[in-house]
Amino acid sequence: GAVVSQHPSRVICKSGTSVKIECRSLDFQATTMFWYRQFPKQSLMLMATSNEGSKATYEQGVEKDKFLINHASLTLSTLTVTSAHPEDSSFYICSASKGQNSGNTIYFGEGSWLTVV
Amino acid sequence: GEDVEQSLFLSVREGDSSVINCTYTDSSSTYLYWYKQEPGAGLQLLTYIFSNMDMKQDQRLTVLLNKKDKHLSLRIADTQTGDSAIYFCAERYGGATNKLIFGTGTLLAVQP
Repeated sequence: GAVVSQHPSRVICKSGTSVKIECRSLDFQATTMFWYRQFPKQSLMLMATSNEGSKATYEQGVEKDKFLINHASLTLSTLTVTSAHPEDSSFYICSASKGQNSGNTIYFGEGSWLTVV
Repeated sequence: GEDVEQSLFLSVREGDSSVINCTYTDSSSTYLYWYKQEPGAGLQLLTYIFSNMDMKQDQRLTVLLNKKDKHLSLRIADTQTGDSAIYFCAERYGGATNKLIFGTGTLLAVQP
């Protein structure tokens, strides 16, 4: 079964509003989670590294004030898209890892489809 | 830079073998991965290889790694129509992190 869960799987919001996406590790603690974005027919691009108890680390070109990341507990990271615009419509997916040095312990959530109308 | 390149499209006939190629840039990558993404769906981990290995076989899947050339390939034997999807390679960037850098993706079309 899934070990990383995202919610909601699909969301439609109005332009100018904010929307929150949750990423949960279900049976393990994750001090670090990652948020990726995938535009249609494109690859996944890393947006930011979510660090439990501290500020997220954003990749170059990603606006930290627009994509707010909160990692308040060892099992939950949230991504809030603020003042959403149609160009923010995308597939957002998170990952978490059980450990640092094992190849098969990076787990992805099911992804969240955001449509801004 | 952190570029991971793949060819965009591959078409094969059902029953043939498919070979999807990937080139990466970070020589310190510890693990390299292959993911499958079907339309409208999330990512499915197919297989991964540790950087000190040259080859890994898992049922119909064979991964070859040429670390010197930073070249990774995925061979799918006896390709089926259900294998039609987009395939992404990914490198675990920098070794000491679980951050993945994804390739550009290869659309595999299997003709019956």
